[in-house]
Amino acid sequence: AQSVTQPDIHITVSEGASLELRCNYSYGATPYLFWYVQSPGQGLQLLLKYFSGDTLVQGIKGFEAEFKRSQSSFNLRKPSVHWSDAAEYFCAVGGNNNDMRFGAGTRLTVKP
Amino acid sequence: EAEVAQSPRYKITEKSQAVAFWCDPISGHATLYWYRQILGQGPELLVQFQDESVVDDSQLPKDRFSAERLKGVDSTLKIQPAELGDSAMYLCASSPRTDTQYFGPGTRLTVL
Repeated sequence: AQSVTQPDIHITVSEGASLELRCNYSYGATPYLFWYVQSPGQGLQLLLKYFSGDTLVQGIKGFEAEFKRSQSSFNLRKPSVHWSDAAEYFCAVGGNNNDMRFGAGTRLTVKP
Repeated sequence: EAEVAQSPRYKITEKSQAVAFWCDPISGHATLYWYRQILGQGPELLVQFQDESVVDDSQLPKDRFSAERLKGVDSTLKIQPAELGDSAMYLCASSPRTDTQYFGPGTRLTVL
């Protein structure tokens, strides 16, 4: 069965600093991988996705993620964090039948 | 840009009452999902529709929850009777047949 682990429950970074959010997955076949962001009381917004091809994926709002099959990881990065990036971030794994499993999320706090 | 619509955004009810949530997916999206998100956790799939047919409802508590998508477009999720443990965010998402899921803003349910 597929599963996703986000090891960090809460991360605090200073505005302008770099960010990396960790995601490890378990999936029996080639996974589809996603990162979503959720502001308080809101739905989930897609940041980026990986289906195949180039393992470095660019997303919206300056985010990128790198698929590493050997490490079963799909970490999210941003070179310079803005105060508006404070939110909850969810990694998800799925397949071509549209099933998807989410991690428990990482809450990002941005210090001024 | 087309969006998934959900209503109501907030619902407060007393235990043992019935509640219903509505979702209108992005036009043309064949697949519709209902998720439950408990505070501090990632979304968990309750039910998945392909057009008007249920594809997966293995995690739907069928003694009290029901979902329908009669014409293969909009959908209703019902809880009867509501219990205290049902307090959560209920998210609706839609996708083309094999692609990314797009989420609505959610309905925050509080059961007193």
